[in-house]
Amino acid sequence: AQKITQTQPGMFVQEKEAVTLDCTYDTSDPSYGLFWYKQPSSGEMIFLIYQGSYDQQNATEGRYSLNFQKARKSANLVISASQLGDSAMYFCAMRDAWGNTPLVFGKGTRLSVIA
Amino acid sequence: DTAVSQTPKYLVTQMGNDKSIKCEQNLGHDTMYWYKQDSKKFLKIMFSYNNKELIINETVPNRFSPKSPDKAHLNLHINSLELGDSAVYFCASSQDAGVGGRYGYTFGSGTRLTVV
Repeated sequence: AQKITQTQPGMFVQEKEAVTLDCTYDTSDPSYGLFWYKQPSSGEMIFLIYQGSYDQQNATEGRYSLNFQKARKSANLVISASQLGDSAMYFCAMRDAWGNTPLVFGKGTRLSVIA
Repeated sequence: DTAVSQTPKYLVTQMGNDKSIKCEQNLGHDTMYWYKQDSKKFLKIMFSYNNKELIINETVPNRFSPKSPDKAHLNLHINSLELGDSAVYFCASSQDAGVGGRYGYTFGSGTRLTVV
């Protein structure tokens, strides 16, 4: 079974600063994918970034980067230069590489960006 | 064009009623899902369909019945609604598992169900 743990229920960050949202995972699958989603107050789920377990480099997408430490089973999301519009719930999720298991989510972290 | 569309967006109904939520995707994806997001924002898989075939059915009361008339549609019918069914229900779709899981899910905008 796969499990995602997000230990930070809520985080505050000053505008223009960087922030790291923590995510640890547990799985017995040898190949897997890790995902981050953003859910603003409007409710939609927005895909941010993906990291494959065998990817050689950490994923980056604009201001988002994923600090992947396989041995520690962690996949932290780093948001650089925070903006007010980054205030939202952030979910870490994972699935096996072949889609045999559904996307499993963590409980989320609510990020608040302060002006 | 909306990739994954759900209707209705809001649904308020009385206990004991039967209701349906519709979902359609125009992405050509093979697999569709229903997730439930509770009041604490936790997202939990309910069902998964691949090419109209049920492949995942988590521990969900049998009052919930998914129906997939074709691979672009996955509807959720709920019988005898209870207060505890109040939640946001998300439909999602993904490409076939064979591509290696690189692609996440595309979610619909959610249906907020309130049972009174």
